[in-house]
Amino acid sequence: AQSVTQPDIHITVSEGASLELRCNYSYGATPYLFWYVQSPGQGLQLLLKYFSGDTLVQGIKGFEAEFKRSQSSFNLRKPSVHWSDAAEYFCAAGKSNFGNEKLTFGTGTRLTIIP
Amino acid sequence: ETGVTQSPTHLIKTRGQQVTLRCSSQSGHNTVSWYQQALGQGPQFIFQYYREEENGRGNFPPRFSGLQFPNYSSELNVNALELDDSALYLCASSWRGRTNEKLFFGSGTQLSVL
Repeated sequence: AQSVTQPDIHITVSEGASLELRCNYSYGATPYLFWYVQSPGQGLQLLLKYFSGDTLVQGIKGFEAEFKRSQSSFNLRKPSVHWSDAAEYFCAAGKSNFGNEKLTFGTGTRLTIIP
Repeated sequence: ETGVTQSPTHLIKTRGQQVTLRCSSQSGHNTVSWYQQALGQGPQFIFQYYREEENGRGNFPPRFSGLQFPNYSSELNVNALELDDSALYLCASSWRGRTNEKLFFGSGTQLSVL
């Protein structure tokens, strides 16, 4: 069965510090991979996606993610976090040709930013 | 602003009742998906509709049903509500027919079952 694992339930970082959120997937083949962000009471906003090609993907708000097939990982990074980055982050995977359907989500990582 | 709107934003029901949640897709989108997000969990895929027909279903019982209308709006119906149905229900629309398309999510309907 397909699964997405986010090992860190909660991460706290200082404003201006670097950030890495971990994501591992288990799929029969290389899936399409996504990172979404959710602010309280809001829906999900797509940060970035990987379909194929360059394994380092750039997204919005200064985020990037690196696909590592050998480690079945798709970790999200940001060099310097801002207080407005505090939110819940979800990694997701899909397997259709269209890549955006029937996504399997991880359980999320809550990011807290301290001054 | 994604262009996907859901109504109502909050809803309280009692166990055993039935509920209908509504979603208006982004203009031009022909596919709608529904997800259930329990507290502290990631969203779980319920089902998807494409051109008014169900096009895939997650691990949810038949009392979860849906409709997609010609104007691509959609409904999620849940019968015989259980306490565990309390969750945020998210609707997402997309255009099926091109690769690399992304989902646009609404802000969700928070359902509480008492």
